[in-house]
Amino acid sequence: GDSVTQKQGQVTLSEDDFLFINCTYSTTTYPTLLWYVQYPGQGPQLLLKVTTANNKGISRGFEATYDKGTTSFHLQKASVQESDSAVYFCALVQGGRALIFGTGTTVSVSP
Amino acid sequence: AQTIHQWPVAEIKAVGSPLSLGCTIKGKSSPNLYWYWQATGGTLQQLFYSITVGQVESVVQLNLSASRPKDDQFILSTEKLLLSHSGFYLCAWSQGTGGNTGQLYFGEGSKLTVL
Repeated sequence: GDSVTQKQGQVTLSEDDFLFINCTYSTTTYPTLLWYVQYPGQGPQLLLKVTTANNKGISRGFEATYDKGTTSFHLQKASVQESDSAVYFCALVQGGRALIFGTGTTVSVSP
Repeated sequence: AQTIHQWPVAEIKAVGSPLSLGCTIKGKSSPNLYWYWQATGGTLQQLFYSITVGQVESVVQLNLSASRPKDDQFILSTEKLLLSHSGFYLCAWSQGTGGNTGQLYFGEGSKLTVL
């Protein structure tokens, strides 16, 4: 069945460091892949969406791209700030009304 | 603008007691509605979804039930809580048309602690 795998559980960075989070997916259909961000005590919010049509998404300094050959998609940011500290989830749209989330990556950025 | 409100914000309940969590969406007609469960530090597990009043589909039940009594209201409940029900419950909505784009708008969540 459809699935997403997010292996990095925790990433610790300093301000201005480069952020890279990877996710792999498995699906039999054309994928729609998303990144959500969750700040402490809040619900997740959509950060970026990538489809086979656009291959790349950019928002708030974050960039998401996907590689069909390796069935992976990643999130990156050139220079993180302390305010980027949050949990980042990759997600895969599943047919019907489902959205499959990865296990999340906790990003901690120190000033 | 659309708003989503969940209640209560937090609950501490005893094992075996009943539970009711609610969610109201304002400013959006005929949304798709969802319940998700998140264990502390864990991923988001979809529990239920509803595309219209009175219709609820179960994805993973976890001894819970859901109902949609009004277009803008979604209720999650159980008659008997288990320790495993502890966690963060999130309600979300999406556009009712245009297929599944993956764009969900989440509420602030309800934190449940079962003792």
